[in-house]
Amino acid sequence: EIVLTQSPGPLSLSPGERATLSCRASQSVTSDYLAWYQQRPGQAPRLLIYSASSRATGIPDRFTGSGSGTDFTLTISRLEPEDFAVYYCQQYGSSPQTFGPGTRVEFK
Amino acid sequence: EVQLVQSGAEVRKPGESLKISCKGFGYIFASYWIGWVRQTPGKGLEWMGNIYPGDSDTRYSPSSQGQVTISVDRSTDTAYLQWSSLKASDSAIYYCARGRGYRDYWGQGTLVTVSA
Repeated sequence: EIVLTQSPGPLSLSPGERATLSCRASQSVTSDYLAWYQQRPGQAPRLLIYSASSRATGIPDRFTGSGSGTDFTLTISRLEPEDFAVYYCQQYGSSPQTFGPGTRVEFK
Repeated sequence: EVQLVQSGAEVRKPGESLKISCKGFGYIFASYWIGWVRQTPGKGLEWMGNIYPGDSDTRYSPSSQGQVTISVDRSTDTAYLQWSSLKASDSAIYYCARGRGYRDYWGQGTLVTVSA
């Protein structure tokens, strides 16, 4: 089973700042099948990025995914108030699919 | 508009059975895999299994195999997750979500509480 580790945790930032979130896999993620999700309190996760760098439908371009192999990054270029949430990575290249523990982006 | 609508919160005692549901709207239900994901404060998000409504092909995670049953009713565009004998450790929020790998649409979640 591939274990995903996310850092940093938590991330304290202000609106307008840049957020850089990391997801590291215990072994290479097949075909870079890695996704990122945002979860706000009391809500279901929301797909942001799939296949490491493809933005999901309706996701603003301030969200960018990058990386390959075992190291992946989600960058939020300028934080909006609604971006303060928990972010999870997920690998779906190998079974069982696994999720990272999440990174909370909180108000500084 | 694509929507997955899940059944409401449930409270059960250990040893009891339970079946929760997930109904799809706004797309061809039979053509997309549905997965079940659980969320707990301690273990975070965990994939439990997937089902393809078109032919009921079902895949389970190793930790869920034998513990739950995933099924589908194509006549009502509804997927199900069921337990025959609940444990306290089954207390969680359960989400259904569309897709076999990444999940592009999620249900609102069903809170299951198992307590004596």
